[in-house]
Amino acid sequence: SYELTQPPSVSVSPGQTARITCSGDALPHQDAYWYQQKPGQAPVLVIYKDTERPSEIPERFSGSSSGTIVTLTISGVQAEDEADYYCQSADSTGTQGLFGGGTKLTVL
Amino acid sequence: QVQLVQSGAEVKKPGASVKVSCKTSGYTFTSYDISWVRQATGQGLEWMGWMNPNSGNTVYAQKLQGRVTMTRNTSINTAYMEVSSLTSEDTAVYYCARGLGFLAVAGGVDYWGQGTLVTVSS
Repeated sequence: SYELTQPPSVSVSPGQTARITCSGDALPHQDAYWYQQKPGQAPVLVIYKDTERPSEIPERFSGSSSGTIVTLTISGVQAEDEADYYCQSADSTGTQGLFGGGTKLTVL
Repeated sequence: QVQLVQSGAEVKKPGASVKVSCKTSGYTFTSYDISWVRQATGQGLEWMGWMNPNSGNTVYAQKLQGRVTMTRNTSINTAYMEVSSLTSEDTAVYYCARGLGFLAVAGGVDYWGQGTLVTVSS
């Protein structure tokens, strides 16, 4: 079955840039979405349609897409960005949604 | 303001069914799709399915086909999700979430309910 693959963990120091990737064969044809989830809380949308940022999300969050890989970039990482991040998209038919396995971002 | 308020925690025995409600407010219920997502303790997010509240059309995750049913009552702006033949594998927090307005299956969601813990235990 179709999968979205994310690295289990990424670690960066405060002020550095964190990049979290999500790979999937259908990503060139399907929009991707990114969510931030902190412990005990519901997820929060941080990027939609590969590169768009909701107005309430800080500018340091950005998204990009290249072929079968989409990337969430957090520039100037802050301690408050420590969380789990999930990508979400659809299969090639667009009728089945799925999430990546999630990436734990640790701010050292 | 947009709000999605879910029903309270449930404890069910294996083989039983559970129905979770998601009462919405602050927007036009029929203009935005509703998705359901679940998360087992310490695990990742799992997409369960999608519903267009205007038409009632639904799409379910293949893994859950035949066991999950998503419905709505437009007169009270409420969506429902029912899972039958429960096993311990269904123990999780269940979330409803509002779509972004694109009415696309598996499109993104912006507002989430608070989550409903469903525990399946004998």
